[in-house]
Amino acid sequence: GNSVTQMEGPVTLSEEAFLTINCTYTATGYPSLFWYVQYPGEGLQLLLKATKADDKGSNKGFEATYRKETTSFHLEKGSVQVSDSAVYFCALSLTAGGTSYGKLTFGQGTILTVHP
Amino acid sequence: NAGVTQTPKFQVLKTGQSMTLQCAQDMNHNSMYWYRQDPGMGLRLIYYSASEGTTDKGEVPNGYNVSRLNKREFSLRLESAAPSQTSVYFCASGRVGSNYGYTFGSGTRLTVV
Repeated sequence: GNSVTQMEGPVTLSEEAFLTINCTYTATGYPSLFWYVQYPGEGLQLLLKATKADDKGSNKGFEATYRKETTSFHLEKGSVQVSDSAVYFCALSLTAGGTSYGKLTFGQGTILTVHP
Repeated sequence: NAGVTQTPKFQVLKTGQSMTLQCAQDMNHNSMYWYRQDPGMGLRLIYYSASEGTTDKGEVPNGYNVSRLNKREFSLRLESAAPSQTSVYFCASGRVGSNYGYTFGSGTRLTVV
């Protein structure tokens, strides 16, 4: 089956530190890959996406590259801010039987806390 | 503002009670989804609706029913609530096509005592 595995958290960093959150996936086919962010008390928001191998998604200083050879989609940011404190979810989506329902499979989430 | 609206935001039920969680979207999306979020387990798909008039089970459908009332609305019903259904429930909508992400509602925090 399809699955997404994220690095275990929580992750605690100081402001301006470098961030990496690892994400690997297992899929039967060629998925689209996503990172979602959930701020306290809110729903999930799409952070970035990549739809094919070697694509790089980027948004708000975050980046992730779709690596087919290692089945990975690691999230990185060069300098985190306190406002980046949130839960980050990696997810994949596959077509199904020729009709793209777009069902998302999520990882377990990684809690990021950034201290001043 | 355009988006996905869920009601209620909070609810406490006694074991055995029933309730319906409401969800509506105004983005003309075809697909709608119900997820539950539990600590350490990410989001798990309960039911989804690829288009108006169709619904299908997701990963954890037991104890739930859904209705796609029209293109805008997709409700989730708990017929006889159990403590194991204590969770945060999220509704989402999206375009048909795996290249698009979802738009999520702000969630319903449900406690079953």
